[in-house]
Amino acid sequence: EVQLVESGGGLVQPGGSLRLSCAASGFTFSSYAMSWVRQAPGKGLEWVSTISGSGGSTYYADSVKGRFTISRDKSKNTMYVQMNSLRAEDTAVYYCAKAEFRTGEYYFDYWGQGTLVTVSS
Amino acid sequence: QSVLTQPPSVSGAPGQRVTISCTGSSSNIGAGYDVHWYQHLPGTAPKLLIYGNNNRPSGVPDRFSGSKSGTSASLAITGLQAEDEADYYCQSYDSSLSGWVFGGGTKLTVL
Repeated sequence: EVQLVESGGGLVQPGGSLRLSCAASGFTFSSYAMSWVRQAPGKGLEWVSTISGSGGSTYYADSVKGRFTISRDKSKNTMYVQMNSLRAEDTAVYYCAKAEFRTGEYYFDYWGQGTLVTVSS
Repeated sequence: QSVLTQPPSVSGAPGQRVTISCTGSSSNIGAGYDVHWYQHLPGTAPKLLIYGNNNRPSGVPDRFSGSKSGTSASLAITGLQAEDEADYYCQSYDSSLSGWVFGGGTKLTVL
């Protein structure tokens, strides 16, 4: 059974940093791309970042490019996102998702329960 | 403003059929990229409902179906049940943005 468990969320001041983790189990971690998707309060889902199975390719939404860094550790079956220079508009529930590749792009077939990040002074 | 446009809300009585539209453009759905659909109950993990325009993952009832034409796609739910009350999102890839995009979401109310 695929399981994705996020952790690391919390309250951080504007301009601060936070690192989220996503522990994966139930599938061959290194064979699949992984992604972060967030949902701000009262808003819809927003894709944030994706990392390939090997970790060699990374992709970012314009809203986080240059501030967020996605990474993965195959020895720990864990994906991370380092979030720097956080802004109030980064406040959201952050979901980890397993990405399935089909006809040239990805969709998200399994999701975690999410972790809440609040950016506020 | 989302790249993919969905109606904010739809509703239907138990047993009825409802459809949710997802309108894109020539850089996403119209460019031939697949459309995928997710069901999301607040506070829970989103669930994949339809992938590749019209394919259901194992375990998703055949009451749910998807279609795509031109720059738009649709999710149809037949035999509406109370448990279907949730938020629904379409998703695709956008070549202009070089990234994955979601619709704004549609809240389904079962009357």
